[in-house]
Amino acid sequence: DIQMTQSPSSLSASVGDRVTITCRASQSISSYLNWYQQKPGKAPKLLIYAASSLQSGVPSRFSGSGSGTDFTLTISSLQPEDFATYYCQQSYSTPPTFGPGTKVDIK
Amino acid sequence: EVQLVESGGGLVKPGRSLRLSCTASGFTFGDYAMSWFRQAPGKGLEWVGFIRSKAYGGTTEYAASVKGRFTISRDDSKSIAYLQMNSLKTEDTAVYYCTRVGGTVVTYYFDYWGQGTLVTVSS
Repeated sequence: DIQMTQSPSSLSASVGDRVTITCRASQSISSYLNWYQQKPGKAPKLLIYAASSLQSGVPSRFSGSGSGTDFTLTISSLQPEDFATYYCQQSYSTPPTFGPGTKVDIK
Repeated sequence: EVQLVESGGGLVKPGRSLRLSCTASGFTFGDYAMSWFRQAPGKGLEWVGFIRSKAYGGTTEYAASVKGRFTISRDDSKSIAYLQMNSLKTEDTAVYYCTRVGGTVVTYYFDYWGQGTLVTVSS
């Protein structure tokens, strides 16, 4: 199975900050990388697919980049509703696997 | 509007069985693969398995942790996906989510999620 890691595991930030979360795969996964946001008690929500494509309805302050083994999710200007846990997920091979998550909370 | 609603969760004793349902609306159910995930309390997301659309044979894949115990099926006439869970273990305790599989066979993602249903396995 492909192992996914994320850094940092948590971060504290202020409204308006630029936030960057990194995801690394244990082997090359081309651009088969998706990002999800999950708020407490809620289901995950797809933000980015295929490394850099913005899911319909997701604000443009979210962006993704990377290929191969290293990927990044960027929130250009953090908003109050963005405080959540973010997961990366590879769809290069079965089983699809997730990173352990990055919790973004209020500084 | 795409909606997925899970049902069937609850408290069950180890070794027993439970069947979850995922009722879909707002899209042509038969055109999509469907997947199940779970999330143990305070933990991350774990893929359970998926079922392809009939166009791709309606075949299934499972995580190693549930293979041989869990079975995913679908009834396209009712727009329902099922997760039959047998020989349940305490470590199967989790919130179970069903999702629609979007994208293509090559580049897929989980674009819509249900609200989840809690399964607690305890004596």
